[in-house]
Amino acid sequence: AQTVTQSQPEMSVQEAETVTLSCTYDTSESDYYLFWYKQPPSRQMILVIRQEAYKQQNATENRFSVNFQKAAKSFSLKISDSQLGDAAMYFCAYLPVGDSNYQLIWGAGTKLIIKP
Amino acid sequence: DGGITQSPKYLFRKEGQNVTLSCEQNLNHDAMYWYRQDPGQGLRLIYYSQIVNDFQKGDIAEGYSVSREKKESFPLTVTSAQKNPTAFYLCASSIDGGSLEPQHFGDGTRLSIL
Repeated sequence: AQTVTQSQPEMSVQEAETVTLSCTYDTSESDYYLFWYKQPPSRQMILVIRQEAYKQQNATENRFSVNFQKAAKSFSLKISDSQLGDAAMYFCAYLPVGDSNYQLIWGAGTKLIIKP
Repeated sequence: DGGITQSPKYLFRKEGQNVTLSCEQNLNHDAMYWYRQDPGQGLRLIYYSQIVNDFQKGDIAEGYSVSREKKESFPLTVTSAQKNPTAFYLCASSIDGGSLEPQHFGDGTRLSIL
């Protein structure tokens, strides 16, 4: 079965410092997409960053970047220069491509706390 | 502005009652989804629809029903058969089901049992 694991239920970081959230997934597929979503206290899910499995270059969006290790099935999120507004639940998600289901598979989430 | 509107924000259900959660999108997206989120957990897929008049069960469809009569609308009915309906429900849409284009989410509906 395809699964997504976020092994850190909660992480904390000092404001302006860097934090890395881990995500691993289990799949036998070779083509897929990976996403990081953020869910602040307002509860709306917001896309942070996305990665195509066939692209070796790690995706970057401003202060957010990923370390995509396809062989290790790892997709960690690095947040640089952490800001108070980054405090949220972060969810890693996997989307298999090539079958007809197109169902996003979600990790359980990591709660990120920013210390001022 | 384009987006997804879920209503109501808060909903209360009596025992044995069916309730319907509304989800409307004006993004011209083909695919729509319903998720359930319980405290401390990730999202679990209830139903999804890739096109009008077609929908598929997700991982936890029992006790729920949907319809997709219009592209813009994907209402979710929580039936009395759903014995533990208290949760946060999120509706999402995407251009299509299988691309890198992300899912866009509504603000959610919190359902509680009286």
